Amino acid sequence: GESVGLHLPTLSVQEGDNSIINCAYSNSASDYFIWYKQESGKGPQFIIDIRSNMDKRQGQRVTVLLNKTVKHLSLQIAATQPGDSAVYFCAEIESNFGNEKLTFGTGTRLTIIP
Amino acid sequence: GEEVAQTPKHLVRGEGQKAKLYCAPIKGHSYVFWYQQVLKNEFKFLISFQNENVFDETGMPKERFSAKCLPNSPCSLEIQATKLEDSAVYFCASSQSSGYGYTFGSGTRLTVV
Repeated sequence: GESVGLHLPTLSVQEGDNSIINCAYSNSASDYFIWYKQESGKGPQFIIDIRSNMDKRQGQRVTVLLNKTVKHLSLQIAATQPGDSAVYFCAEIESNFGNEKLTFGTGTRLTIIP
Repeated sequence: GEEVAQTPKHLVRGEGQKAKLYCAPIKGHSYVFWYQQVLKNEFKFLISFQNENVFDETGMPKERFSAKCLPNSPCSLEIQATKLEDSAVYFCASSQSSGYGYTFGSGTRLTVV
C-alpha cells in the first residue's frame, strides 16, 4: 500500500505486505531528515534518518528515500507487522548555526490489518 | 537515565488558571526542545535551550508562555492564564548536539476546561 502524503493521511496495509509512506517537505535548504513513529499516548520514536548528501538509506525492515529535486521523502516498511500500526511523521532540519529545530510534516496513520 | 522524563502525564486546568509542566532531559544532553501537538497531529515548535540559555524562542506565544532550564533542576514550561486553545500534548525532547539524536519524552496532556 502507498499513501500520497497530505492528501491521504491514513493507510491500511495487510500484514506481511510492504508499505510506503510519502512526505513532501517544504524547505529546499533542509539538509537532514528524520522519520518518527508515534504510538498512542507516547512521544515520537526515531526510526531512521538521512542527510541531504544521500538519496537512500536502509535500516532493519525500513528504507528512506530522498528526492531533493522534488522535495520528497518516503519511508518504506517491509513485511509489515501489527506493531507497525502507528502514526508516522517526517521531520526536516536546516542546519543553520543556531536554528536547528525540527519541522514536522502532518503525519500518516498506518493501520496493519491482521 | 536514558529517557526524557515529563511530569505530570495529565493536567487539567480551568480557563484562566496557571499550568506548569516539567521535563528532565537525558543526563549529558545539553539541548532541550519543547513542542506542542494539537489533535494528535501537527507539532508546533515552541522553544529550545542550550544548557540554561534560550537557544530559539521563535515559537513561543510570549504574552502567556514562559520556559526555563536551570542548573540541577528539571526544565519547566509555564502557561499563565490558560485558554481553551492551549489544550494539547506538550512534548519535551533533548539531544547531545543541536538538531541530532533527539529523544522525546512521553508528553504532558494539558486539558483546559
